[in-house]
Amino acid sequence: ILNVEQSPQSLHVQEGDSTNFTCSFPSSNFYALHWYRWETAKSPEALFVMTLNGDEKKKGRISATLNTKEGYSYLYIKGSQPEDSATYLCAFNDNNAGNMLTFGGGTRLMVKP
Amino acid sequence: EAGVTQSPTHLIKTRGQQATLRCSPISGHTSVYWYQQALGLGLQFLLWYDEGEERNRGNFPPRFSGRQFPNYSSELNVNALELEDSALYLCASSLDRDSGRPQHFGDGTRLSIL
Repeated sequence: ILNVEQSPQSLHVQEGDSTNFTCSFPSSNFYALHWYRWETAKSPEALFVMTLNGDEKKKGRISATLNTKEGYSYLYIKGSQPEDSATYLCAFNDNNAGNMLTFGGGTRLMVKP
Repeated sequence: EAGVTQSPTHLIKTRGQQATLRCSPISGHTSVYWYQQALGLGLQFLLWYDEGEERNRGNFPPRFSGRQFPNYSSELNVNALELEDSALYLCASSLDRDSGRPQHFGDGTRLSIL
């Protein structure tokens, strides 16, 4: 059973704060690490798919880094806005498991105006 | 471009019955995935279909089954429903079998077992 863990479980920040959260995953048999944003009453939205050690991806105010050797990825949000409030999920893709994704429990972000 | 569509939105069944959930992928996508989110738990991988074949299966009993049709749409069937099958079932699609592709999710079917 693969262990994908996210921390913290939840986070309350003020509008304008920058924040970051962590996803840890097995460092062996790595193929890809996915990040999704899941807003209440909507479907999960793909943010990034990261495959290379040291990779850094950016989408607007959101960026992510990847360390496959030590098994972690960070997601950063710069200048949080209320519309960033959502659950952020990471998912690990094992090299031996085809396209099966193992999801972490998510970090629930709430941004107060 | 239409996204992944799932039907029905809600489904209420009783123990022992059978449920059928449907999913239409994004046009041009050949891979379809099914996930379960039970209350208090994270997303759990159920099944992956590509080009009409079951490619991978999660740790679920055989009463969870499905298929993919020639137009790449998919059905998830759950037989002999149990109370713990109450969950949100999400379908996702990706362009092809490449594991580096993002998966695009539908809004889900909420299955309630009475």
